[in-house]
Amino acid sequence: DQQVKQNSPSLSVQEGRISILNCDYTNSMFDYFLWYKKYPAEGPTFLISISSIKDKNEDGRFTVFLNKSAKHLSLHIVPSQPGDSAVYFCAAPGGWSQGNLIFGKGTKLSVKP
Amino acid sequence: DSGVTQTPKHLITATGQRVTLRCSPRSGDLSVYWYQQSLDQGLQFLIHYYNGEERAKGNILERFSAQQFPDLHSELNLSSLELGDSALYFCASSVAPGGGSEAFFGQGTRLTVV
Repeated sequence: DQQVKQNSPSLSVQEGRISILNCDYTNSMFDYFLWYKKYPAEGPTFLISISSIKDKNEDGRFTVFLNKSAKHLSLHIVPSQPGDSAVYFCAAPGGWSQGNLIFGKGTKLSVKP
Repeated sequence: DSGVTQTPKHLITATGQRVTLRCSPRSGDLSVYWYQQSLDQGLQFLIHYYNGEERAKGNILERFSAQQFPDLHSELNLSSLELGDSALYFCASSVAPGGGSEAFFGQGTRLTVV
């Protein structure tokens, strides 16, 4: 049973426009969420996180929104740049004392010039 | 550069063989995590070590084992390899054992079983 779901395997947007990547989760006990970005031949790198006590967190061009009632979060990238082309993973903690993360399957974002 | 080093980067081996993947965490990080990424799959958590002790297990097969040494580097041992074990194996490290600290990932080891 997937606890973190990214239902869109891919997304293509034009440079300068907004990219919206979506993530759904099933476990209401998750108390924070993270987004990781992964380029080919590299490991995932941390992008942005949000605590469950917030509904929005912003860092430059990246904003994550959390809707707890819908168990849904989204990552907005504005404006999108070709360098943002990568696979984006949504993740949640595996457990309070565990530290591991539960990842979605990822969404491949392509930003076209 | 995340500061996490994984070796080797690529590994090709035959079914039934045994391999060892190595991970050196970031300086000062006590936690090491191993993840497997198969084709079209997200990263699946395998195992977590904290300061030399096993902390949590995920979807790790009995044919797989890991350890963390006193110098904090970790090794993931995969034995009796099958074609389905072909995947990217990532190591990640963090300072704390849990509670939300950011994890830093290595570049991964691509294992191909033929």
